[in-house]
Amino acid sequence: DTAVSQTPKYLVTQMGNDKSIKCEQNLGHDTMYWYKQDSKKFLKIMFSYNNKELIINETVPNRFSPKSPDKAHLNLHINSLELGDSAVYFCASSSRLGTGNTEAFFGQGTRLTVV
Amino acid sequence: ILNVEQSPQSLHVQEGDSTNFTCSFPSSNFYALHWYRWETAKSPEALFVMTLNGDEKKKGRISATLNTKEGYSYLYIKGSQPEDSATYLCASQMGADGLTFGKGTHLIIQP
Repeated sequence: DTAVSQTPKYLVTQMGNDKSIKCEQNLGHDTMYWYKQDSKKFLKIMFSYNNKELIINETVPNRFSPKSPDKAHLNLHINSLELGDSAVYFCASSSRLGTGNTEAFFGQGTRLTVV
Repeated sequence: ILNVEQSPQSLHVQEGDSTNFTCSFPSSNFYALHWYRWETAKSPEALFVMTLNGDEKKKGRISATLNTKEGYSYLYIKGSQPEDSATYLCASQMGADGLTFGKGTHLIIQP
């Protein structure tokens, strides 16, 4: 049983397209995140949702829109893809902040390549 | 310190030797310090989450310490084995925010 699963694992698409990456967790966590691994292999937070509510939105272009239909899912939709969006995107989940052990569990990553 | 900083960036260690590396983080509004182990082509996996000043945690040959007043944590690996080769990430959790990651220490164990 995969705790945090994201699909697809690889995504190759043309500039200007709109694409989505899906994430699901079966850990019963309240908080889910999207991280971007940049070209220098640095993990940077993009969004954080707590119980379907957005709590962190870092400086991310508004072409990126997270959608949380329920607390087990946090999907990432990207409009008008640009070359610079090419990266590995990681979904993660954790217990609600302030409630004890908040270690994050990560999905396997989605490698997005925009051509 | 405004960001989470890790040093060294990379480290080559002979099998059997012990090693350690550092994570520095902002000490204001501190909630927790996380260590993750990240193997190539896999996802980061949590090693430790520490919250209290002076915390020490241990998992097998790996241990970590925490100093929240001065804003640093050390990760120690005793008797390094080839399977310890990975990138070790630390992340600071401040208040209700998500995790802020350092750039990692890339550890290579040489047989």
